[in-house]
Amino acid sequence: KAGVTQTPRYLIKTRGQQVTLSCSPISGHRSVSWYQQTPGQGLQFLFEYFSETQRNKGNFPGRFSGRQFSNSRSEMNVSTLELGDSALYLCASSSGTISGEQFFGPGTRLTVL
Amino acid sequence: GENVEQHPSTLSVQEGDSAVIKCTYSDSASNYFPWYKQELGKRPQLIIDIRSNVGEKKDQRIAVTLNKTAKHFSLHITETQPEDSAVYFCAASISTGGFKTIFGAGTRLFVKA
Repeated sequence: KAGVTQTPRYLIKTRGQQVTLSCSPISGHRSVSWYQQTPGQGLQFLFEYFSETQRNKGNFPGRFSGRQFSNSRSEMNVSTLELGDSALYLCASSSGTISGEQFFGPGTRLTVL
Repeated sequence: GENVEQHPSTLSVQEGDSAVIKCTYSDSASNYFPWYKQELGKRPQLIIDIRSNVGEKKDQRIAVTLNKTAKHFSLHITETQPEDSAVYFCAASISTGGFKTIFGAGTRLFVKA
């Protein structure tokens, strides 16, 4: 099976702009979770989607949003970018039926200038 | 809110020695505890996991223990090798109406040859 893919791999934006990141899960996986990774902070949970529904959300402001399509592909959007949004954004997919291994994508490196 | 504390943040050992990483979680509803290894520039990958109904699990040189009463879980790596050098993340997953995985801040392990 093909692994989790994310596009784009790198992005440079300026403050105030918005950005959309994309994640394609492993075929057959219905759960997609998004994480923000910054040095020293580990992976911060953003949200989890399953069958086009957001089931869980982390403690991020409303500028961070996401959605999932019927083919399980997911997008996350960050509006009104701030310098502190610079990070590696990782998505991970799993079957979604029971707690289990999450398979991570390579991430999107976002730099906000 | 949910929190996972991980110690130490940095660990340096001699090749062949053992390494121990400890984590504490706050939400008693957590029922799944994975450990991920992230090498430099790569995506996190699962190395071992344990569910809340099990106290200990071993896979070759790696073992994980869980103390639900104390909300502690630990990773033990024996006979460390230079290729074990990486950042290790513990996590606690809650599965109530979906999945929410909270990660620790990570431990950077250096194995000196």
